[in-house]
Amino acid sequence: KNEVEQSPQNLTAQEGEFITINCSYSVGISALHWLQQHPGGGIVSLFMLSSGKKKHGRLIATINIQEKHSSLHITASHPRDSAVYICAVRGSTLGRLYFGRGTQLTVWP
Amino acid sequence: SQTIHQWPATLVQPVGSPLSLECTVEGTSNPNLYWYRQAAGRGLQLLFYSVGIGQISSEVPQNLSASRPQDRQFILSSKKLLLSDSGFYLCAWGLVYNEQFFGPGTRLTVL
Repeated sequence: KNEVEQSPQNLTAQEGEFITINCSYSVGISALHWLQQHPGGGIVSLFMLSSGKKKHGRLIATINIQEKHSSLHITASHPRDSAVYICAVRGSTLGRLYFGRGTQLTVWP
Repeated sequence: SQTIHQWPATLVQPVGSPLSLECTVEGTSNPNLYWYRQAAGRGLQLLFYSVGIGQISSEVPQNLSASRPQDRQFILSSKKLLLSDSGFYLCAWGLVYNEQFFGPGTRLTVL
């Protein structure tokens, strides 16, 4: 079983829809990352958080440490949001990164 | 500003051939450097990380090795590639513990 589980694996939405991607983890962590990987493969770090909530433009990330769960929300989705979204956590014991398998998001115009 | 470069962008190699992927970082000093692999249909896997010149830590035993000959240069190598080495290889850097900035990646296909 993977230390980080993401859902859904694939997500299709119409432009303008509100999107939620979920991430659950099973290890103690010092931080959680949300990453965005575009079709060419390049990865951009969207958020790093260890508690609460962060917002950047149309993106919102939340984390519940007690429930070991994080969500990434995209408001007013746009075709350019189409990408793979990856959740990664840094274990608090050894400090290594654990990655989810990613969520493929496709937003249609 | 800091930038990270990887080359080549794509590579097709026969089984048994050697490999050398290079990663360089500009605009910063003494960064932590990382090599990741993303196999088809799987998540990212940390292969190596380095906190300084000549200092390499391996996360998983495998057919690959890494070297850091200069402060901002990180090289991933293999003497003999296996089919299972195919994947997308990403280099990343960071200055502090939780920081990760990824390079553009190299897509390796071993035939």
